[in-house]
Amino acid sequence: EIVMTQSPATLSVSPGERATLSCRASQSVSSNLAWYQQKPGQAPRLLIYGASTRATGIPARFSGSGSGTEFTLTISSLQSEDFAVYYCQQYNNWPPSTFGQGTKLEIK
Amino acid sequence: EVQLVESGGGLVQPGRSLRLSCAASGFTFDDYAMHWVRQAPGKGLEWVSGISWNSGSIGYADSVKGRFTISRDNAKNSLYLQMNSLRAEDTALYYCAKAAMAYYFDYWGQGTLVTVSS
Repeated sequence: EIVMTQSPATLSVSPGERATLSCRASQSVSSNLAWYQQKPGQAPRLLIYGASTRATGIPARFSGSGSGTEFTLTISSLQSEDFAVYYCQQYNNWPPSTFGQGTKLEIK
Repeated sequence: EVQLVESGGGLVQPGRSLRLSCAASGFTFDDYAMHWVRQAPGKGLEWVSGISWNSGSIGYADSVKGRFTISRDNAKNSLYLQMNSLRAEDTALYYCAKAAMAYYFDYWGQGTLVTVSS
């Protein structure tokens, strides 16, 4: 099973600043990597798939990069609505599909 | 508009069974794989099970293999999860999720809560 490790567990950033979240796979997942955002009491929302393609309706301030085992989600200028928990998911090797443990993005 | 509505959750004793359902609308159900993902209280996301469009390919997490069975009825636009021999660690919010052409999840339901406790 491929293990996904996200870092940091918690990230404190001020509104308007850039946030960089990391996700590492225990073995190569090619570009089969997705990012999700989850706010309290809500279902997850797809942000990025294919490591770098924004899902429909996702603002351009969200960008994804990486391939193989190292991936990054960057939010270029944080808005108040961006403070949430972010998860990466690999879908290269199914079953199983696996998620990272999440990064909580909080207001500094 | 894509809608996924889960039902069937509730309080159940350890060792008992429960069947979850997911009613889908707003897309051609039998074109897409479907999955169940769960989230224990205060924890992260855990993929549980997935099924291809024609039920020809099915997968389970090791934590539920042999106890849970996923199925679908394309005529009814519905996805199911039969959960047997439930354990306390199965307590979670269970989400139904639609897979895109690859196996990431582009739409999610709001979840149904399963609580396993005596």
